[in-house]
Amino acid sequence: AQSVSQHNHHVILSEAASLELGCNYSYGGTVNLFWYVQYPGQHLQLLLKYFSGDPLVKGIKGFEAEFIKSKFSFNLRKPSVQWSDTAEYFCAVVTGTASKLTFGTGTRLQVTL
Amino acid sequence: DAGVTQSPTHLIKTRGQQVTLRCSPKSGHDTVSWYQQALGQGPQFIFQYYEEEERQRGNFPDRFSGHQFPNYSSELNVNALLLGDSALYLCASSLGDRGYGYTFGSGTRLTVV
Repeated sequence: AQSVSQHNHHVILSEAASLELGCNYSYGGTVNLFWYVQYPGQHLQLLLKYFSGDPLVKGIKGFEAEFIKSKFSFNLRKPSVQWSDTAEYFCAVVTGTASKLTFGTGTRLQVTL
Repeated sequence: DAGVTQSPTHLIKTRGQQVTLRCSPKSGHDTVSWYQQALGQGPQFIFQYYEEEERQRGNFPDRFSGHQFPNYSSELNVNALLLGDSALYLCASSLGDRGYGYTFGSGTRLTVV
């Protein structure tokens, strides 16, 4: 069965610092990849997604992610974080012909002023 | 506004009881998926309903059942509640059963005591 690993469980950054959150998946076939964000007390929101084409995907709020097939990775990046980026970030994958999302355990990002 | 409406927002039940959670999908969506998010974990797929039928199911016991109505709304039922069923239950809607455009609701927080 497919799985998603997020190795950073809790990240603390100062405002304006650069961010990279790791995501690795285990599945050898076709994948669609997603990053979701969950702000405190709010619903899950889609940050960005990769289906095919350019492996560098740009999303909302200045986030981007790069799909590296050989490394089974889909890391999330942002050049300069803001205090408002404080949230929980989830990587997720849809594999093969299935439509269910398989989520990682999430990374809690705390941005300090 | 998430577009997906879940009710109730919070619920406290006693072990052994039964619970029903409700979800109204985003306008224009016809598929509903349910996820369980335990504290500190990523959402886990329970099942998906499309055309009033259960299309996919995750690794959850038969105590978890569901239904989809002709207006695409859905219910999640859990029988014989266990303490371990305490979690945030998320509903996600999409158009079609390929799951590419999920919209999540804010969830129902279930506490079993």
